[in-house]
Amino acid sequence: GAVVSQHPSRVICKSGTSVKIECRSLDFQATTMFWYRQFPKKSLMLMATSNEGSKATYEQGVEKDKFLINHASLTLSTLTVTSAHPEDSSFYICSALSEGARGYTFGSGTRLTVV
Amino acid sequence: AQSVTQLDSQVPVFEEAPVELRCNYSSSVSVYLFWYVQYPNQGLQLLLKYLSGSTLVESINGFEAEFNKSQTSFHLRKPSVHISDTAEYFCAVSEGAQKLVFGQGTRLTINP
Repeated sequence: GAVVSQHPSRVICKSGTSVKIECRSLDFQATTMFWYRQFPKKSLMLMATSNEGSKATYEQGVEKDKFLINHASLTLSTLTVTSAHPEDSSFYICSALSEGARGYTFGSGTRLTVV
Repeated sequence: AQSVTQLDSQVPVFEEAPVELRCNYSSSVSVYLFWYVQYPNQGLQLLLKYLSGSTLVESINGFEAEFNKSQTSFHLRKPSVHISDTAEYFCAVSEGAQKLVFGQGTRLTINP
């Protein structure tokens, strides 16, 4: 079945630094990838939609300059949290959409802690 | 725009009892419906989905959900739950190959 690999699973960084999270589709080509943020005991909030080779579409209220998304190939999308602050601490989850699979496959998530 | 409402934030049940997790959606067009399960500190795993065809869909671990267009519902059911079913369950909807919109989630707790 479709598998999405997300790395790292956990990261702790200092305030003011940048962190990159990778999302790879291992056995299918993902035309579209999604990035979600999940607060403790809350639902998933869509941050942005990225299509291979084009700029990401950000949801209202999400700072595009702070959360940089790159989707350079059909198997890799990255989310970079720039100048991270403690309030950026959260669980970030990526999802890949494959037309062939007709479904959404989720990564295992990244727990970001900014200290 | 579509939206999803999960009416119960928490559902405690005893082991081997039946359970129903409720999900209602709103959309002006045809939708695809999904149930995902999330274990602590993990991503989401697809439990089952409705794309078209039979309105009753089943998962391999005993869960089932029925798409009811007139009531705009997609409730998840299991006739007999196990301790290992303890998790967070999310209902989601998409309009074609578009973004998924999630409900607020329901925490299912199974008590021995």
